Amino acid sequence: KQEVTQIPAALSVPEGENLVLNCSFTDSAIYNLQWFRQDPGKGLTSLLLIQSSQREQTSGRLNASLDKSSGRSTLYIAASQPGDSATYLCAVNTGANSKLTFGKGITLSVRP
Amino acid sequence: NAGVTQTPKFRVLKTGQSMTLLCAQDMNHEYMYWYRQDPGMGLRLIHYSVGEGTTAKGEVPDGYNVSRLKKQNFLLGLESAAPSQTSVYFCASSYSPWREQYFGPGTRLTVT
Repeated sequence: KQEVTQIPAALSVPEGENLVLNCSFTDSAIYNLQWFRQDPGKGLTSLLLIQSSQREQTSGRLNASLDKSSGRSTLYIAASQPGDSATYLCAVNTGANSKLTFGKGITLSVRP
Repeated sequence: NAGVTQTPKFRVLKTGQSMTLLCAQDMNHEYMYWYRQDPGMGLRLIHYSVGEGTTAKGEVPDGYNVSRLKKQNFLLGLESAAPSQTSVYFCASSYSPWREQYFGPGTRLTVT
């Protein structure tokens, strides 16, 4: 059974800092991995999708990497801003039916 | 495009009552999903559908039923609500297993 772990559960950084959010998974036989952002009381917003054959994806200040063999992904946020404060979730797709297994998320607080 | 919409946004039920949550998507996606999100548990898959007229069980299906009579709609039913079903329910959809999942804004359900 696939398990997804995100550590730490919470992170507080000063504005402007570059930071890395980690995600690990137990079964390397994945289709893809998706990073989401969730603001309090809101739904999930897709940030980046990395296919199993890819090593990284970039969108603006965000860069996600994938090392399938070691079961790890990282989300790099450059020059963090208070508006980046949210919970970041990673989810792994391990089946043809596109079912996602989620980590519990990392709650990020960026201090002005 | 509205994307994924969910009705209602909030609902309070008494134990034993029934209700149906409606999810609609206008992106012509084949795959649709129902998740629940609970503190400390993360998001867990309840039921999913890989196309019109199909449904399948996810990780936590007990106490729920679903129907996908039209491609754009996916209904989640609670026949006899229990306090353990107090949660935030999210619907999601995707075009294929290799594409992003898009989430609705969620339904906050309280069962007293």
